[in-house]
Amino acid sequence: GENVEQHPSTLSVQEGDSAVIKCTYSDSASNYFPWYKQELGKGPQLIIDIRSNVGEKKDQRIAVTLNKTAKHFSLHITETQPEDSAVYFCAAQRRSGGSNYKLTFGKGTLLTVNP
Amino acid sequence: GAGVSQSPRYKVAKRGQDVALRCDPISGHVSLFWYQQALGQGPEFLTYFQNEAQLDKSGLPSDRFFAERPEGSVSTLKIQRTQQEDSAVYLCASSPYGGGTPNEQFFGPGTRLTVL
Repeated sequence: GENVEQHPSTLSVQEGDSAVIKCTYSDSASNYFPWYKQELGKGPQLIIDIRSNVGEKKDQRIAVTLNKTAKHFSLHITETQPEDSAVYFCAAQRRSGGSNYKLTFGKGTLLTVNP
Repeated sequence: GAGVSQSPRYKVAKRGQDVALRCDPISGHVSLFWYQQALGQGPEFLTYFQNEAQLDKSGLPSDRFFAERPEGSVSTLKIQRTQQEDSAVYLCASSPYGGGTPNEQFFGPGTRLTVL
C-alpha cells in the first residue's frame, strides 16, 4: 500500500519568515496530493491540493510543488503569521478497488510561528 | 451551509463497553469516509461508503468495529467491547462524488474516544 513520509515533525519560525514542509510517497499510482491544516480540537481542513498533471500550484501565501519522478511534494508558506500555527498534514490519494479514494496521511508537522 | 458534524464530540467508555459514533455528512455528498487518528499521528483510513454501499472496510482494525450508512446519508461507527487501544479521535469525512477524479474530502471535528 501507499506510504507517506513527512518532514520535519516540528518547525518553528519567526513571523514573516517562510516555512517549508516536505513529503515523499511510495505508490507511483497516486495522483492527488492535498495538504490539510489541523488546529487543536478541530478536524483537518484542506488548504491546497495538487494533481499529478501539475508541477506547481500557488494560492496567495501558500504554494505546493510536485516532483512525480522523485515522488515528493512540498508545501511552502511565505510571510508566515501567528495564525498559521497548527499541525499540517500531507496526504496522497489514488484510485483503488473501484471508486475508493482513501487518503494516506503523513505523520504531521507542528508549525509554530513566533511573533 | 453546514459542514460535516459528528456526535458526541467526546466519549468516555469503560473497557468492554460498546460505543456508537455518529456522522452527519454534508447534504448530498455521495462518499463518506471514517478515519482513526491516534494522538500525535496522522489520520488512518478505516472504511469507505458510496451512498449506502460499504465499498472498502480494509482499514477496520478488528471485527469489533462495524460501520453502516443505511440510507446513504448519516453513518454510524460502532465499536464493540472497547479496548484501551481504541482510544483515539474518530474523524468522518464526506466528498461530493463517488467516482471519477479524486477530490476534496471535508472533515468533521471528530469524536474523541477515551477508553478507561
